[in-house]
Amino acid sequence: EAGVAQSPRYKIIEKRQSVAFWCNPISGHATLYWYQQILGQGPKLLIQFQNNGVVDDSQLPKDRFSAERLKGVDSTLKIQPAKLEDSAVYLCASSLVSAYQMGAQYFGPGTRLLVL
Amino acid sequence: DQQVKQNSPSLSVQEGRISILNCDYTNSMFDYFLWYKKYPAEGPTFLISISSIKDKNEDGRFTVFLNKSAKHLSLHIVPSQPGDSAVYFCAASARRYGGATNKLIFGTGTLLAVQP
Repeated sequence: EAGVAQSPRYKIIEKRQSVAFWCNPISGHATLYWYQQILGQGPKLLIQFQNNGVVDDSQLPKDRFSAERLKGVDSTLKIQPAKLEDSAVYLCASSLVSAYQMGAQYFGPGTRLLVL
Repeated sequence: DQQVKQNSPSLSVQEGRISILNCDYTNSMFDYFLWYKKYPAEGPTFLISISSIKDKNEDGRFTVFLNKSAKHLSLHIVPSQPGDSAVYFCAASARRYGGATNKLIFGTGTLLAVQP
């Protein structure tokens, strides 16, 4: 079974530029998550989707970050404009259980972003 | 406010011996706990989970113990193997009535080094 796919794997941009990350979850997983992992910290949830609807985006800096999952499968996360402190690994995860149930989340390899 | 704490940044163990990784939490509403393993340049890999109605869960060489009164959980790896060398994250989620439940809060991780 294929895992969670993410692209690109690495991205270097200058501050104030925009960037987008793509995620394809495990087939059949209705719930999708985006996390930000800053060096030396654990992943922090940014946004949670159930199919194509947002379940929780309370931790998403909405003035610069946006995310969508239009057809309930693939998702994109965008940062516009980027700041130096956005340098981090952006992880996508998916889960077989709904956002309202307890269950394991399965992570992709992440996109490492460096903002100069 | 760090709700999930892993106070040991690193741990070194001899091959064949037991590795014990610890995690403390402060939120008494947490009722589902997970351990993830992370290799460099990869996303976290799900290892094992435990619900708050249990105090122990076992899967092969991995056992997770939960002490609710102490708000403490631990991961035991027996016997430890060099391939177990990675960063280990504990994570927790809380049942939120009427709201999204499967929202993971991660600790900062412990780097395990298993010496041959």
